[in-house]
Amino acid sequence: DGGITQSPKYLFRKEGQNVTLSCEQNLNHDAMYWYRQDPGQGLRLIYYSQIVNDFQKGDIAEGYSVSREKKESFPLTVTSAQKNPTAFYLCASKPPKGPSSGNTIYFGEGSWLTVV
Amino acid sequence: RKEVEQDPGPFNVPEGATVAFNCTYSNSASQSFFWYRQDCRKEPKLLMSVYSSGNEDGRFTAQLNRASQYISLLIRDSKLSDSATYLCVVSDGGATNKLIFGTGTLLAVQP
Repeated sequence: DGGITQSPKYLFRKEGQNVTLSCEQNLNHDAMYWYRQDPGQGLRLIYYSQIVNDFQKGDIAEGYSVSREKKESFPLTVTSAQKNPTAFYLCASKPPKGPSSGNTIYFGEGSWLTVV
Repeated sequence: RKEVEQDPGPFNVPEGATVAFNCTYSNSASQSFFWYRQDCRKEPKLLMSVYSSGNEDGRFTAQLNRASQYISLLIRDSKLSDSATYLCVVSDGGATNKLIFGTGTLLAVQP
């Protein structure tokens, strides 16, 4: 079945460590996104990529890095520079513009990152 | 002012009730509007797009008022399974049409 797969679902990180969250999609979508969700807050955009080998900073990119070497994959690295990384991380993708797709995005199941 | 504002709730309603959620947005250039549903500790899922003329999907009705920059979601005959957080989502009106998410409104349908 087509979809967006995030892994791992749960991850614990020690302070000072970098960790990478995986996001893979087999929907043939060009655009991919990473969001962060904290309790009581809306989703905040970290990075997005509209095409392979290109990505842009979102609203809260500091302390994060991404790559987009393949259309299917958009991994997110949470670096030690991110001071409050404990959160729910959501990867999403958007289908190409078309009469039925609108501007909708679809999410993976998310990854829970906890700093210990 | 927040770009997308919603009443956080919670809205506690009995089964069978009708409940309405409101959302306001600040960017008059926004072109796309959606309601997403998010269950506890899960990813958001698209509930419905919102069109200028208003649209209905079963028990759910969405309305858009561009002049007042206001979106609403009406749920009729509430079910226990409707309990979730409802996210109002608006495009930023820019070239890349990024989506801005509200903080969500929590609905708890009681038996």
